[in-house]
Amino acid sequence: DTAVSQTPKYLVTQMGNDKSIKCEQNLGHDTMYWYKQDSKKFLKIMFSYNNKELIINETVPNRFSPKSPDKAHLNLHINSLELGDSAVYFCASSPRGRQGVYGYTFGSGTRLTVV
Amino acid sequence: GNSVTQMEGPVTLSEEAFLTINCTYTATGYPSLFWYVQYPGEGLQLLLKATKADDKGSNKGFEATYRKETTSFHLEKGSVQVSDSAVYFCALFNQGGSEKLVFGKGTKLTVNP
Repeated sequence: DTAVSQTPKYLVTQMGNDKSIKCEQNLGHDTMYWYKQDSKKFLKIMFSYNNKELIINETVPNRFSPKSPDKAHLNLHINSLELGDSAVYFCASSPRGRQGVYGYTFGSGTRLTVV
Repeated sequence: GNSVTQMEGPVTLSEEAFLTINCTYTATGYPSLFWYVQYPGEGLQLLLKATKADDKGSNKGFEATYRKETTSFHLEKGSVQVSDSAVYFCALFNQGGSEKLVFGKGTKLTVNP
């Protein structure tokens, strides 16, 4: 059983399109995150949700809209895709209040290519 | 704010060589420190961690010691293998702080046979 699963693994789309990436975790964690990894492998947090409530929003363009229907799911919807959105997007989860002990568990990533 | 500085890569070693990847941090209070590894085409996996000063994290032959006096958490391995080729990330989490895992820029390691 995959602990944090993301779909799709690869996504190629044209500029201006709208796309979604889905994430699900079966670890019973109550906090989930989206990170963006650029071409130089730099990782930057985008959003954090705790039990469906947004707790971190790191100056991400409002074309990006996270949605958490329940604490096991955190989806990322991107409107009007731009070339600069091309990156690998990672979902992660952790038990809130215990992140310092357990760290985060990451999904395998979604490679988004905008052409 | 919290930040992590890792040595610039890439690092290229021969099999069985000794590995050190330097990591220093800036943080208020007492953060937890982590090393994550990203193998080609995969996600990040937790390699080891330390939650307080002088703790030593270890896994798969890798070790790192939390040194508060030098604000460092250097990753070491005595004898690397080709299968250790990956990108290594140092990270910190400050409980009660910004509530986010902060990463260094990553160090790419290539081990040649």
